[in-house]
Amino acid sequence: TQLLEQSPQFLSIQEGENLTVYCNSSSVFSSLQWYRQEPGEGPVLLVTVVTGGEVKKLKRLTFQFGDARKDSSLHITAAQPGDTGLYLCAGATSGTYKYIFGTGTRLKVLA
Amino acid sequence: KAGVTQTPRYLIKTRGQQVTLSCSPISGHRSVSWYQQTPGQGLQFLFEYFSETQRNKGNFPGRFSGRQFSNSRSEMNVSTLELGDSALYLCASKETGSEKLFFGSGTQLSVL
Repeated sequence: TQLLEQSPQFLSIQEGENLTVYCNSSSVFSSLQWYRQEPGEGPVLLVTVVTGGEVKKLKRLTFQFGDARKDSSLHITAAQPGDTGLYLCAGATSGTYKYIFGTGTRLKVLA
Repeated sequence: KAGVTQTPRYLIKTRGQQVTLSCSPISGHRSVSWYQQTPGQGLQFLFEYFSETQRNKGNFPGRFSGRQFSNSRSEMNVSTLELGDSALYLCASKETGSEKLFFGSGTQLSVL
């Protein structure tokens, strides 16, 4: 069974602080995605990484895919209250037509 | 383009009843997948449809079923509802050749 473990599960920080969220698995994925979900809404895709070692930046967010394509991290620089939400990683395996979602990290950024 | 539309937004049912949820994908998207989200289990894959064919199914009992129509709209049905079926049911559509999932706002199902 493929599992994606995220850590930490909860994170409450002050505006301006930096943070890193981790997504780990014992399985290899063909691609890994990060989503952010706000209350009452569906997840919204932030980024897709497909190559081992790949690093992508989206403004203050930096995403990295592990060399072995089993893990990923999301780093937020100078967090803002607008970053508050549930962050989910999701792994895909070619040909299975399904995504395995991580356990989620609930982030709260205090002004 | 309009986003993924799910109806109804909220639903309250009692144990033993059945329910049908609807999902209209983004125009041109032929893949529709369904997920169940609960606080304890997170997001879990139910099934995926493409061109009216189910291509994959998650580990859910047979009470959970779905279908897709020729216009790519999809429905999922849950029969003999149990208290544990209370959850947010999310539908996502995907364009062929892309790995990007676009989610609807979900249907919040409460089983009393």
